[in-house]
Amino acid sequence: GDSVTQMEGPVTLSEEAFLTINCTYTATGYPSLFWYVQYPGEGLQLLLKATKADDKGSNKGFEATYRKETTSFHLEKGSVQVSDSAVYFCALNAGNQFYFGTGTSLTVIP
Amino acid sequence: EAGVTQFPSHSVIEKGQTVTLRCDPISGHDNLYWYRRVMGKEIKFLLHFVKESKQDESGMPNNRFLAERTGGTYSTLKVQPAELEDSGVYFCASSQDRLRTTSGNTIYFGEGSWLTVV
Repeated sequence: GDSVTQMEGPVTLSEEAFLTINCTYTATGYPSLFWYVQYPGEGLQLLLKATKADDKGSNKGFEATYRKETTSFHLEKGSVQVSDSAVYFCALNAGNQFYFGTGTSLTVIP
Repeated sequence: EAGVTQFPSHSVIEKGQTVTLRCDPISGHDNLYWYRRVMGKEIKFLLHFVKESKQDESGMPNNRFLAERTGGTYSTLKVQPAELEDSGVYFCASSQDRLRTTSGNTIYFGEGSWLTVV
């Protein structure tokens, strides 16, 4: 069945470090791919998305490229800030459902 | 515009008791979803309403869970009787359009209802 596997956390980085959170997926057909973020005390928010192969989603300095050949959608940011501390979820949309990964907790220290 | 709102934000109940979670979707959104995240695990789909009709309830774990959406506006999710393994965060989400795989339609989530069963 459809599923998402993402990097286990927690991840702790210093401010201005480079971030990569790996995400791979299994799906029949061609899903849309998403990254959601949950800041402390808040709900899930859409961070970025990509709907077809080779599309790059970007927002707030984060980027992820839909790689069909490697079935991946890794999240990257060149220079993280303390305010990026949150839990990040990779997700795919297949039909009427979203399938999420387990979430990766990121803490950025000054 | 108000987002998806959920109530209560936190609930602690004893095993065997009943809890009812409420979700108010974004106004005008016909599609309403319930998801659940058990601690440390993935967020899992529970069910999907289109207006007042259950479109897909394949994710409901067992018959202790009952979801309703009378009138096609707000929805409730009742757990009766609650068990320890029901602890987790229950997310509600809504969308205007039905999700289609290639469209990239997104859904808008509430802040979640944190349920602890002791």
